[in-house]
Amino acid sequence: GAVVSQHPSWVICKSGTSVKIECRSLDFQATTMFWYRQFPKQSLMLMATSNEGSKATYEQGVEKDKFLINHASLTLSTLTVTSAHPEDSSFYICSANHRSILSYEQYFGPGTRLTVT
Amino acid sequence: GENVEQHPSTLSVQEGDSAVIKCTYSDSASNYFPWYKQELGKRPQLIIDIRSNVGEKKDQRIAVTLNKTAKHFSLHITETQPEDSAVYFCAAPEYGNKLVFGAGTILRVKS
Repeated sequence: GAVVSQHPSWVICKSGTSVKIECRSLDFQATTMFWYRQFPKQSLMLMATSNEGSKATYEQGVEKDKFLINHASLTLSTLTVTSAHPEDSSFYICSANHRSILSYEQYFGPGTRLTVT
Repeated sequence: GENVEQHPSTLSVQEGDSAVIKCTYSDSASNYFPWYKQELGKRPQLIIDIRSNVGEKKDQRIAVTLNKTAKHFSLHITETQPEDSAVYFCAAPEYGNKLVFGAGTILRVKS
């Protein structure tokens, strides 16, 4: 149980285009979903916290107009990287809290590797 | 906000030896401390966690100890195997159900 999927697993896009990444909780309802970015050999850096039906809360330094987050249901959150540039190339990982159990436990998706050329 | 420091950044051990990774946190109100294992290009996977009402938790070759007074917790892996080689992250909670992650420890188990 507590499986989180992400799509796509990898994507290559041209500079200036937008990319949408989906995060789904497959067998549970998620209270909250989180979006992280991870650069090579670095830790997980939280970008934003997403709650179903409300606006996402962005961490300091993360541009909300560039990284659009939509949380349409208790099982789906999307991250759209708008006007992508090479410096946005990274590993993007989502996670979710299980709605019915202790709230701090996070279950991670497999990640999406974004390469902007 | 919460601040988590993790040491060492890299750790090499011989197969069969033990490995210990330590994390310190800053918020004395924190009450949940997970450890994640991440293999190259894969998702972080929760391997063990501990809540502040206990001092130690064990699951086969993996254990976590917590010292609330000193505000540190440690991951202990005994009888290490090559498949234990990975990056390990500790974390501590922050407001809003968030987790703050340590910088990570690259564990290499040499056979």
